[in-house]
Amino acid sequence: AQSVTQPDIHITVSEGASLELRCNYSYGATPYLFWYVQSPGQGLQLLLKYFSGDTLVQGIKGFEAEFKRSQSSFNLRKPSVHWSDAAEYFCAVDRRADSWGKLQFGAGTQVVVTP
Amino acid sequence: DGGITQSPKYLFRKEGQNVTLSCEQNLNHDAMYWYRQDPGQGLRLIYYSQIVNDFQKGDIAEGYSVSREKKESFPLTVTSAQKNPTAFYLCASSIIGTKSGANVLTFGAGSRLTVL
Repeated sequence: AQSVTQPDIHITVSEGASLELRCNYSYGATPYLFWYVQSPGQGLQLLLKYFSGDTLVQGIKGFEAEFKRSQSSFNLRKPSVHWSDAAEYFCAVDRRADSWGKLQFGAGTQVVVTP
Repeated sequence: DGGITQSPKYLFRKEGQNVTLSCEQNLNHDAMYWYRQDPGQGLRLIYYSQIVNDFQKGDIAEGYSVSREKKESFPLTVTSAQKNPTAFYLCASSIIGTKSGANVLTFGAGSRLTVL
């Protein structure tokens, strides 16, 4: 079955430390890949996306993600976390073959930032 | 500023009642979507629409209905047939086709429905 997996449900990180959130997908072809962030009770905001080309993509708020075709992964990273980065993060894929904008989402990773 | 407006933000419903969630966008986007969010499950697609007067079922359409009479509006009705309607509902829109920005969803702030 086609799926998007975020293995970590919850991550706690100290302010100033680095952060990496994992995302794996299982699709036959390379889909479009996205990371979104959601603050409590709010909608989702796009952090970054990968469609093609350079496999290391830069996003907003100092985030970056690397697409690795061999591992079917699209992990999100930030070198130094700020308290305002506490939120829920969702990886998503656009299956492309029969869809546009109909995203398949992972279950999300809740990030807690400690002082 | 352009964006997506969802209303109401909070809604309470008694069992057996239909409720309608509003979604309006002024981004001139062609496509609109409704997603349902439950804790630990991510977002699941309910319905989507590419063009006025046309819409398609997503992965969990049972117990829901939509209409698309205007490009800007895509209301969602949660009917009494929806067995577990308590959830956070998110509306989104996007450009479609090959234009720059296509396939990127812009989300509203969401509506939280609670069935009493």
